[in-house]
Amino acid sequence: ETGVTQTPRHLVMGMTNKKSLKCEQHLGHNAMYWYKQSAKKPLELMFVYNFKEQTENNSVPSRFSPECPNSSHLFLHLHTLQPEDSALYLCASSPQRGRGEAFFGQGTRLTVV
Amino acid sequence: QQQVKQSPQSLIVQKGGISIINCAYENTAFDYFPWYQQFPGKGPALLIAIRPDVSEKKEGRFTISFNKSAKQFSLHIMDSQPGDSATYFCAASTGGGNKLTFGTGTQLKVEL
Repeated sequence: ETGVTQTPRHLVMGMTNKKSLKCEQHLGHNAMYWYKQSAKKPLELMFVYNFKEQTENNSVPSRFSPECPNSSHLFLHLHTLQPEDSALYLCASSPQRGRGEAFFGQGTRLTVV
Repeated sequence: QQQVKQSPQSLIVQKGGISIINCAYENTAFDYFPWYQQFPGKGPALLIAIRPDVSEKKEGRFTISFNKSAKQFSLHIMDSQPGDSATYFCAASTGGGNKLTFGTGTQLKVEL
C-alpha cells in the first residue's frame, strides 16, 4: 500500500449518469493530483491541488469536475461522459506541489457505456 | 506534441539478462527524470530518479544513464528477474517537481 487509497476500484457508468471518484491520502501530503491513463498513451496530468487550492487544470473538459475539501481528500465528479473517457484514473499525492516523490493510488478503472 | 518519447513499446528479456529502456525529451527546462514501475492492477511506483547534474545513478540492479547533450536517458535493469515483469514509464518535470510528463510506457516481460 502506498498510503493513497482510491474508491471505487471499478466503475461502469452510462453517458447520462453522474458519479464521483474518491481519493484519500494518509501521508500528510499537501499536494494532490488526478491523472488519466489510457492504453498506448502517456499518463496525462489532469488537475493539481496544492494546499486545497487548484493550481493546474490541463484543458480538461468541464464534464470532469474536481473537488478538494482538504489536503487529505480529492474527488473527481463525473457527468455526461463519453465512451472515449473510459480509462484508468489515478490519484497521486506529494509533500508539496513540485517537491518530493509522487505516490500513486491503485486507480479507478472507468468504463463509460 | 509528445515531449517525452519512450522506446521500445515492449521488451522480452531472458532471466539474468539486461533490460534497456530508452527515453528522449525535447524540453531543455526539464530537470528531474524519474522512472516509474507499474504492475497490473496497481498504480505507478517510483523506481529511481536522476537530476541532470549527474550522468549515472545506480540503485541495486537498476541504473539510470543520462546524456544531457543528447537529451536522452535510459533505464538499465541488470540480472533481470521474472518479478521485474511490469510496465516501466519514464517521466520528466521542471523545478524538480511532480508536474510529470510521462513517456508512453514499456511493457517488460522477463522469461525463465
